[in-house]
Amino acid sequence: GQNIDQPTEMTATEGAIVQINCTYQTSGFNGLFWYQQHAGEAPTFLSYNVLDGLEEKGRFSSFLSRSKGYSYLLLKELQMKDSASYLCGVHRGGGADGLTFGKGTHLIIQP
Amino acid sequence: DTGVSQNPRHKITKRGQNVTFRCDPISEHNRLYWYRQTLGQGPEFLTYFQNEAQLEKSRLLSDRFSAERPKGSFSTLEIQRTEQGDSAMYLCASSRPGQVAFFGQGTRLTVV
Repeated sequence: GQNIDQPTEMTATEGAIVQINCTYQTSGFNGLFWYQQHAGEAPTFLSYNVLDGLEEKGRFSSFLSRSKGYSYLLLKELQMKDSASYLCGVHRGGGADGLTFGKGTHLIIQP
Repeated sequence: DTGVSQNPRHKITKRGQNVTFRCDPISEHNRLYWYRQTLGQGPEFLTYFQNEAQLEKSRLLSDRFSAERPKGSFSTLEIQRTEQGDSAMYLCASSRPGQVAFFGQGTRLTVV
């Protein structure tokens, strides 16, 4: 089966840095997505990694190691509005073109 | 607004009734996906279309579920003989092939 693991919940302080890890074991891999989802709202796209390494986009960065089946999302200069769930999703490809998501990490930002 | 649109936003139905949801994708996107999400979980893939062709169906999609995209534009998801376990948020997303998928706001189904 497909397995994507993320921590269920994390807490961080406004202004600090937090790293959300994701490990995956899937049949096929074309790329890894991170989405942000506020309660009751649609997931919104944050980042997409296809090759190994770090992708930086403003306060958010995402890292991928395909050999280790591992990714992380790094959030810097945390703001209260960053309180949300963060979803790690794998695009398996090879005809399996829907994304397979982890359960999501609920991030709580404290003042 | 040119994003993905889903209707209705909320649906309450009695167990055993049939329900149908609609998704209007971003107009130039030929791929359309349906997901189901329950509280505290990530979205679970149900099915996807490329134009009007349904190319993949998850094992989660029982025979009570059917999805169509007759003209390659909007899509409908029908659930027959609803059960309480069908209560969830049903999300639609669209994309160009190999591109980022954009999600709609979802339809929240409650089966009582």
